[in-house]
Amino acid sequence: QKEVEQNSGPLSVPEGAIASLNCTYSDRGSQSFFWYRQYSGKSPELIMFIYSNGDKEDGRFTAQLNKASQYVSLLIRDSQPSDSATYLCAVRYGTNAGKSTFGDGTTLTVKP
Amino acid sequence: DVKVTQSSRYLVKRTGEKVFLECVQDMDHENMFWYRQDPGLGLRLIYFSYDVKMKEKGDIPEGYSVSREKKERFSLILESASTNQTSMYLCASSLQGGEFFGPGTRLTVL
Repeated sequence: QKEVEQNSGPLSVPEGAIASLNCTYSDRGSQSFFWYRQYSGKSPELIMFIYSNGDKEDGRFTAQLNKASQYVSLLIRDSQPSDSATYLCAVRYGTNAGKSTFGDGTTLTVKP
Repeated sequence: DVKVTQSSRYLVKRTGEKVFLECVQDMDHENMFWYRQDPGLGLRLIYFSYDVKMKEKGDIPEGYSVSREKKERFSLILESASTNQTSMYLCASSLQGGEFFGPGTRLTVL
């Protein structure tokens, strides 16, 4: 079993809909959680991070963390075709330093 | 804005050659990382460094070494390149929080 699991997709949503991306992790000691967006042929770009249980909102993006259930999710509201990309979930044991473990990513397609 | 630069976007080398991949960040970040990314295998950590002259092995260090003589620069070395090291190599840096990635180097070993 992988340490960080994501559905590979592809996930397809119509423009304007809510896209929901999910990630589960195995290490209960994990403390830092990140979402990256990676466009085809480009490098990953950090879009959200969350450390505490609950929701964290940034514009159209909301990260949700549930440590008891060991999952973190990313919601994208009012999805746009420009959101079409692969979304990588990453988990880190510590809060400040150390290595992250990445999931394999979920490919999202937003159809006009 | 954080800027992470990598010395080459594309590189073609021969089997057995020694290969140097350079990474430079301009934000005084403590932590630097080298990953490779392959289709179906995701992003895999090769080495990381949390301070000058400090290094730690990641998940797949075999066949690689690293050097960090200055805080802003982290080099990945392939001592004797092999065809199975053909990949996209990504450098990243962080202070606290998430990582900032460079544009990547696509290395082909023939």
